[in-house]
Amino acid sequence: QITLKESGPTLVKPTQTLTLTCTFSGFSLSTTEVGVGWIRQPPGQAPEWLALIYWDDDKRYSPSLRTRLTITKDTSKNRVVLTMTNMDPVDTATYYCAHRQPRTATSGGFDFWGQGTLVTVSS
Amino acid sequence: EIVLTQSPATLSVSPGERGILSCRASQSISNYLAWYQQKPGQAPRLLISGASTRATGVPARFSGSGSGTEFNLTISSLQSADFAVYYCQQYGNWWTFGQGTKVEIK
Repeated sequence: QITLKESGPTLVKPTQTLTLTCTFSGFSLSTTEVGVGWIRQPPGQAPEWLALIYWDDDKRYSPSLRTRLTITKDTSKNRVVLTMTNMDPVDTATYYCAHRQPRTATSGGFDFWGQGTLVTVSS
Repeated sequence: EIVLTQSPATLSVSPGERGILSCRASQSISNYLAWYQQKPGQAPRLLISGASTRATGVPARFSGSGSGTEFNLTISSLQSADFAVYYCQQYGNWWTFGQGTKVEIK
C-alpha cells in the first residue's frame, strides 16, 4: 500500500531555510502520471498547496510562494525534498506531503497523505 | 488564482439527519473538484474526486455533485464518525482549498 512520511526540523529560526523530506513507498515517481505534492496547514486554518513534482520532473509552485520554494525528487531513494527559504513566524504550520492521483474525469485529488510534521518558526 | 468559497462555515446537524455542504469556485473548473474530511490531529482524507466519484473505501452515504462553479457534498445520514471539518479543493488550475465547513453535532 502507499505510505508517505515527512521528516525535518520541528523548529527553525526566522530567515533560515527549511528543508523537508518526504519518504514514500508503494509507488514509483518514475511511473507516468504520478505526482507528489506538498501542502501546509497553519494551526486552525485551511490547507494551502505549496508545490508539486511530476514523474517527468515537471514542477509546479504556488504563485504566492514560488520565489521561496524548490522541490526536487530522488527516484532511486523514493524521496521528494522541499526547501523553503527566508522562513517567518507566519510559516508556522503542519507540513504534509501527499500522492496525487492522475488527473482524469474521475480522479485528481491527493489520495494518500503523510502524517504531517509541525514546523514552528521562532527565534 | 481560483478562489473556493465554502458555505456554511458551520453546519449543526443531528445524527441521522442529512447534511449538505456547498463549494463555489470563482471561475469554472469543470469537474476538477475534490472533497476531504479532516478530524483533529489527522491529515485530510480524500472522499470525492472528479466532483462525484467516491474514493476507495468511502461509504455510500457521501455523495458529490455539481460542475462548473457550483458543487455540493451531501452526507445522507450523519453518523458520529462524520462530525469533522470538510474541505473542497480544485485541481483544474493549480491547486487551491476552500476555507472549510465544520460539521458539528446539534
